[in-house]
Amino acid sequence: TQLLEQSPQFLSIQEGENLTVYCNSSSVFSSLQWYRQEPGEGPVLLVTVVTGGEVKKLKRLTFQFGDARKDSSLHITAAQPGDTGLYLCAGGNFNKFYFGSGTKLNVKP
Amino acid sequence: GAVVSQHPSWVICKSGTSVKIECRSLDFQATTMFWYRQFPKQSLMLMATSNEGSKATYEQGVEKDKFLINHASLTLSTLTVTSAHPEDSSFYICSASPRRSNYGYTFGSGTRLTVV
Repeated sequence: TQLLEQSPQFLSIQEGENLTVYCNSSSVFSSLQWYRQEPGEGPVLLVTVVTGGEVKKLKRLTFQFGDARKDSSLHITAAQPGDTGLYLCAGGNFNKFYFGSGTKLNVKP
Repeated sequence: GAVVSQHPSWVICKSGTSVKIECRSLDFQATTMFWYRQFPKQSLMLMATSNEGSKATYEQGVEKDKFLINHASLTLSTLTVTSAHPEDSSFYICSASPRRSNYGYTFGSGTRLTVV
């Protein structure tokens, strides 16, 4: 069983569309990260959020940490083919991090 | 900074043999490293926490006698898959952080293990 559930599991959209990926858990985390992984490679950190209600923006990506620090969302505006990949959230409490179930995003030109 | 190197990138071994995977922090010291396993099209599952100078902490369901972890120095952790079987074929990834971190970890590039 996954400690963090992500939705949707798969998402295929056209270039230019907006999308939101959700990461939910019944556990409270001191921080939550979002990673992007390309096939055959390790995950690459996109952002870390630590404060309940925190919102961070990274160009076309907006990340939000829930007030109760149990959930998070990733919103991508005007998706591009280069955004294609596996998006993973990971929740942690200082010592270790557990990954969400993952969202496979495909952005078609 | 904060580069983690993993070796080998891929390995093919015969069933019954053992395989060692190395994880190095190149420009920082890591008292703790993590080992994950990833099956195709699935997320990363934490296998164990590698602690420098002490025994590794294994997640529930992970056989510690099968997946031997050694963290002999502040820059190197090794994972040895003993008596490998085809079902051990997977993508193994390590991660580390330069500090007791609440701010995310750097991952190695992963090792694709295929047991034939």
